Amino acid sequence: DVKVTQSSRYLVKRTGEKVFLECVQDMDHENMFWYRQDPGLGLRLIYFSYDVKMKEKGDIPEGYSVSREKKERFSLILESASTNQTSMYLCASRDGREWEKLFFGSGTQLSVL
Amino acid sequence: GNSVTQMEGPVTLSEEAFLTINCTYTATGYPSLFWYVQYPGEGLQLLLKATKADDKGSNKGFEATYRKETTSFHLEKGSVQVSDSAVYFCALSGGGADGLTFGKGTHLIIQP
Repeated sequence: DVKVTQSSRYLVKRTGEKVFLECVQDMDHENMFWYRQDPGLGLRLIYFSYDVKMKEKGDIPEGYSVSREKKERFSLILESASTNQTSMYLCASRDGREWEKLFFGSGTQLSVL
Repeated sequence: GNSVTQMEGPVTLSEEAFLTINCTYTATGYPSLFWYVQYPGEGLQLLLKATKADDKGSNKGFEATYRKETTSFHLEKGSVQVSDSAVYFCALSGGGADGLTFGKGTHLIIQP
């Protein structure tokens, strides 16, 4: 089975801190995604990457950046965390030839105080 | 652009009741349609899919039929169990590299 692993299940940070959320997948998938999940808003796409060193903005990229230096790892970076970035963050990956199916990690619940 | 609208939750049912969660979509072209499920403390996982009009996706007793004329993909199950308690997301894909467009999710609670 495909495994998508997010480094932390819960994370508490202070306003203004630089925050790194890490995601690793073990199935050599080309495509990787970062979503945030908020009550009443569902899932919203932050950034995605269709290959190593490639990145594209999603629907809500403001305040975030990403890094994809290796195929298996996709990092989400909050340059200066703010309270409105308190959320559940979900990473997903996809085989570029099977574009219909996303595999999700368990999520990181980030609280910014 | 693409969008998905699904019924608001939470939806609370008794065990063995019939379930319907409504989903309608707006999309250009001919999207593929999906239902994902998120169990407590876990990420989303694909429940079922349909890739063209009149296709029926099914899995674990759940079914959904792609209705192009009504732009709908309603999720149904004849007899729900407590273990079906989860958040259900309807989604569509236009086939692009940017993944799926999700609905807001419906929280389903099944009481014994």
